Amino acid sequence: GAVVSQHPSRVICKSGTSVKIECRSLDFQATTMFWYRQFPKQSLMLMATSNEGSKATYEQGVEKDKFLINHASLTLSTLTVTSAHPEDSSFYICSATSTSSGDYEQYFGPGTRLTVT
Amino acid sequence: AQTVTQSQPEMSVQEAETVTLSCTYDTSESDYYLFWYKQPPSRQMILVIRQEAYKQQNATENRFSVNFQKAAKSFSLKISDSQLGDAAMYFCAYRSGAGGGADGLTFGKGTHLIIQP
Repeated sequence: GAVVSQHPSRVICKSGTSVKIECRSLDFQATTMFWYRQFPKQSLMLMATSNEGSKATYEQGVEKDKFLINHASLTLSTLTVTSAHPEDSSFYICSATSTSSGDYEQYFGPGTRLTVT
Repeated sequence: AQTVTQSQPEMSVQEAETVTLSCTYDTSESDYYLFWYKQPPSRQMILVIRQEAYKQQNATENRFSVNFQKAAKSFSLKISDSQLGDAAMYFCAYRSGAGGGADGLTFGKGTHLIIQP
């Protein structure tokens, strides 16, 4: 079945530094990838949608200059949290879909726990 | 904008019994999809069941079934013969059908399901 991986699974960084999270579709070509954020004991909130080869579309209230998304290939999307602050600490989850498959199901990665100290 | 409401923060059921999780949604669209996802402590999102709005027949997947009431905008999940492995957070989610599969999911706040042995 469709598998999506994320790397790293956990990352700790210091305030003011940047951190990159990778999302890969391992056995299918992901025309669209999504990034979600989940605070402890809360739901998932869509941050942005990225289509291969084009600029990401950010949800209202998400700072695009802070959360840089790149979808350079059909199997890889990256989320870079720039100048991270403690309030950026959260669980980041990506999902991927292939709009050419017809079912448009979103396959989720295992998530990345970011802690900013 | 679409909203998804789960009014039960926590539900408890005896093993082997049946439990129903509630979900209501609000949308002005006619083409959309509804989902139930399970998030165990590992935090990996697992698709439980999906329902296309244009289908009148309620979706079923083994012990999981939905009661889709389109006019009432209600989408409840019934779990029969509850098992200890069913214990998890359950999220109801909505996806527009207008974007050709390139739309992100809108999640409810989740219901924490506890299975009593």
